[in-house]
Amino acid sequence: QKEVEQNSGPLSVPEGAIASLNCTYSDRGSQSFFWYRQYSGKSPELIMFIYSNGDKEDGRFTAQLNKASQYVSLLIRDSQPSDSATYLCAVWGNNDMRFGAGTRLTVKP
Amino acid sequence: EAGVAQSPRYKIIEKRQSVAFWCNPISGHATLYWYQQILGQGPKLLIQFQNNGVVDDSQLPKDRFSAERLKGVDSTLKIQPAKLEDSAVYLCASSFSDMDDFYGYTFGSGTRLTVV
Repeated sequence: QKEVEQNSGPLSVPEGAIASLNCTYSDRGSQSFFWYRQYSGKSPELIMFIYSNGDKEDGRFTAQLNKASQYVSLLIRDSQPSDSATYLCAVWGNNDMRFGAGTRLTVKP
Repeated sequence: EAGVAQSPRYKIIEKRQSVAFWCNPISGHATLYWYQQILGQGPKLLIQFQNNGVVDDSQLPKDRFSAERLKGVDSTLKIQPAKLEDSAVYLCASSFSDMDDFYGYTFGSGTRLTVV
């Protein structure tokens, strides 16, 4: 069974801080890794993907991948109240996309 | 480009009734997916179409769920008869080809089903 694990949270950070979201996966054959943001009552929205070991930066977001440790993370710098949402980690391999249950992030003003 | 369209947005039915959801993918997208998202969980794939053929329906409860994608464009997902545990958001997503999974895909706004 291919598993994607995330801490459910809630993770609470003050405005302006760095939020760190973590995800582990079980399938070593996984090839691509995604972070989706889901606001309450809305559908998931793709914010980043990464497929090579190391860091990938996009604005305030940085995705980090370590395939040896089967670990992927998302850092949100200068967190804003509008970043408050559930963040879903998704892992793709062999034409199969698996989602974690998500981490709920709250950014307090 | 227009996004993935889904309807209805909300549906409330009694158990043992039937219900159908509709999805129109982004124009030109060959691959279409139906996901079920139960409250507090991540989306779970129900069925994947490539054009009008089924690629993966291994997690579709075939005794009560059915889906079709006639003409390789829009799709319908049906539940008959519904059970209480079918209460969830049903999400449709599409991509240009299944290789676009490498870059992720776009979800529609979803249909929230409540079975009472």
